[in-house]
Amino acid sequence: TQLLEQSPQFLSIQEGENLTVYCNSSSVFSSLQWYRQEPGEGPVLLVTVVTGGEVKKLKRLTFQFGDARKDSSLHITAAQPGDTGLYLCAGARSNDYKLSFGAGTTVTVRA
Amino acid sequence: GAGVSQSPSNKVTEKGKDVELRCDPISGHTALYWYRQRLGQGLEFLIYFQGNSAPDKSGLPSDRFSAERTGESVSTLTIQRTQQEDSAVYLCASSRSQLGFSLGEAFFGQGTRLTVV
Repeated sequence: TQLLEQSPQFLSIQEGENLTVYCNSSSVFSSLQWYRQEPGEGPVLLVTVVTGGEVKKLKRLTFQFGDARKDSSLHITAAQPGDTGLYLCAGARSNDYKLSFGAGTTVTVRA
Repeated sequence: GAGVSQSPSNKVTEKGKDVELRCDPISGHTALYWYRQRLGQGLEFLIYFQGNSAPDKSGLPSDRFSAERTGESVSTLTIQRTQQEDSAVYLCASSRSQLGFSLGEAFFGQGTRLTVV
């Protein structure tokens, strides 16, 4: 059983469209992170959110941390083929050295 | 090196054989982690090193799995008598402190894809 549930599992869209990936849990986290992983590579950190209700923007990517710090979303505006990859959310508890990961969302952006 | 380096990148082994996976962390990083990524599943925590000691081995799935770290540097994950269920990508990460992941200061290697046939 995953501590963090991601949805959808797969997402295929046309270039220029918008997309949203969700990450939900029944547990509270002190911080939540989003990673992107490309084939043959390790996950690369995109963002860390630490405050309930926090919204962070990174160019065309918008990350939101739920008020209760149990869920998060990643929204991509005007997706490009370069956004293709596996998106992983991961949660950390206070003073914990390890993360709990979701199963990931595979995003494919078609040119 | 500039980043976390893992070797080999790919390993195909026969069921029942032993394998060793290597991780070279970023220089100066005292914390080192091993995770396993199976197809369609999230990353599973295996083991955490602080320096040369492993205060948390709770994620190792069976006694066929072991890991060591020498000189606060290189770590080796050993899987004995491999089974097909061991097929996965094994990822190593390192950070300057034990709060590296929480602070967003931990970095992953590219992983070793292990296939047991």
